Amino acid sequence: KQEVTQIPAALSVPEGENLVLNCSFTDSAIYNLQWFRQDPGKGLTSLLLIQSSQREQTSGRLNASLDKSSGRSTLYIAASQPGDSATYLCAKAGNMLTFGGGTRLMVKP
Amino acid sequence: DTAVSQTPKYLVTQMGNDKSIKCEQNLGHDTMYWYKQDSKKFLKIMFSYNNKELIINETVPNRFSPKSPDKAHLNLHINSLELGDSAVYFCASSIRTGVRTGELFFGEGSRLTVL
Repeated sequence: KQEVTQIPAALSVPEGENLVLNCSFTDSAIYNLQWFRQDPGKGLTSLLLIQSSQREQTSGRLNASLDKSSGRSTLYIAASQPGDSATYLCAKAGNMLTFGGGTRLMVKP
Repeated sequence: DTAVSQTPKYLVTQMGNDKSIKCEQNLGHDTMYWYKQDSKKFLKIMFSYNNKELIINETVPNRFSPKSPDKAHLNLHINSLELGDSAVYFCASSIRTGVRTGELFFGEGSRLTVL
């Protein structure tokens, strides 16, 4: 059973669209939630970290929200660009850090 | 001045061999981790070390033996390699450990292929 789930698994959008990536988790014991970006053949780059006491974090065109009561986090990407194409992973910190399966994003020019 | 660096980046070897992957972080973090990313891209924790002490061992076969000579280094040694060990292994570090895991910084990964 996957404790952290990301939907959709893959997403293809035209350049300029605003989009939302979803992350849901089953265990309400959460201390923080982190969003990462992974480019093909590369490591993970931390994008945003939301502490359990926070509801959202913003960095540039990225906005991540956290709703502990519903077990959800969303990553909003505004005005998407081809350079945003990558796999986006969320990770929940409970007793340990648990990763979702990722969403593969393709932004077409 | 890479924050978390792993070597080698690629490793191709035969079944039954023994191999090591090295990891170093220059962030001054106390906690280091090894993660395994399988062919389906799922990332799973293998080990976590805090200041040279093992704190997490997630039911990893004892053919895998991590070693932390100091808090800036966490090496992974694998004995008697099996086909199923083929994966990308990521090293990571964070300031804090345990239930308040801080922001994680990852290395670029080491792709292991067992033939």
